[in-house]
Amino acid sequence: SALTQPRSVSGSPGQSVTISCIGTFSDVGGYEYVSWYQHHPGRAPKLIISDIDKRPAGVPDRFSGSRSGATAFLTISGLQAEDEAHYYCCSYTGTYTWVFGGGTDLTVL
Amino acid sequence: EVRLVQSGGAVKKSGESLKISCQGSGYKFTSYWIVWVRQLPGEGLEWMGAVYPGDSQTTYSPSVEGQVTISVDKSTGTAYLQWSSLKASDTAVYFCARRRDYGYYHFDRWGQGTLVTVSS
Repeated sequence: SALTQPRSVSGSPGQSVTISCIGTFSDVGGYEYVSWYQHHPGRAPKLIISDIDKRPAGVPDRFSGSRSGATAFLTISGLQAEDEAHYYCCSYTGTYTWVFGGGTDLTVL
Repeated sequence: EVRLVQSGGAVKKSGESLKISCQGSGYKFTSYWIVWVRQLPGEGLEWMGAVYPGDSQTTYSPSVEGQVTISVDKSTGTAYLQWSSLKASDTAVYFCARRRDYGYYHFDRWGQGTLVTVSS
């Protein structure tokens, strides 16, 4: 079943926010393959974190990923207005299958 | 430039068939899986399945297996998602994305999405 994310989070410009992604030891806790995606409605989703904590080229270092047990985290520091979007975690679940989280709506106040 | 370009939106009726496409360019098409992800109205993303253009191998989520067919034409660099009999519950935005083979487990480029609307 889908990974569990908070429905929404918010923060003021310059602040930090952390989004959790709760899974199990069959997905998030069992593989080093958690990724995070930023999605502005109407646009293509964008990869911002791969393999728990790796940032692809071009992604600001304000975005960081981590994991503790079967919960992954995305932290966005120094919030900017352009960060307002939906954020999805995703985990490999074995045998070439993946599962996404339900998504978190980030509001920059 | 790497691009995944999806076919345009479709409006269909329940019971009709549909095939949507995703054309890759700017990279070695046969070295990357094409995955399909759907977003039901008001919901999050859901991984549906994938195809490897190198050998046409496919894999499906249990929730959609038997309901859709994923295929590929490597000669044109195009992957497909098709339904033989649509249901109203298939109304969603469908995204394609690519995943590099051999040790990569994330989706690094995405298409713009295809809105499929099915009326009952």
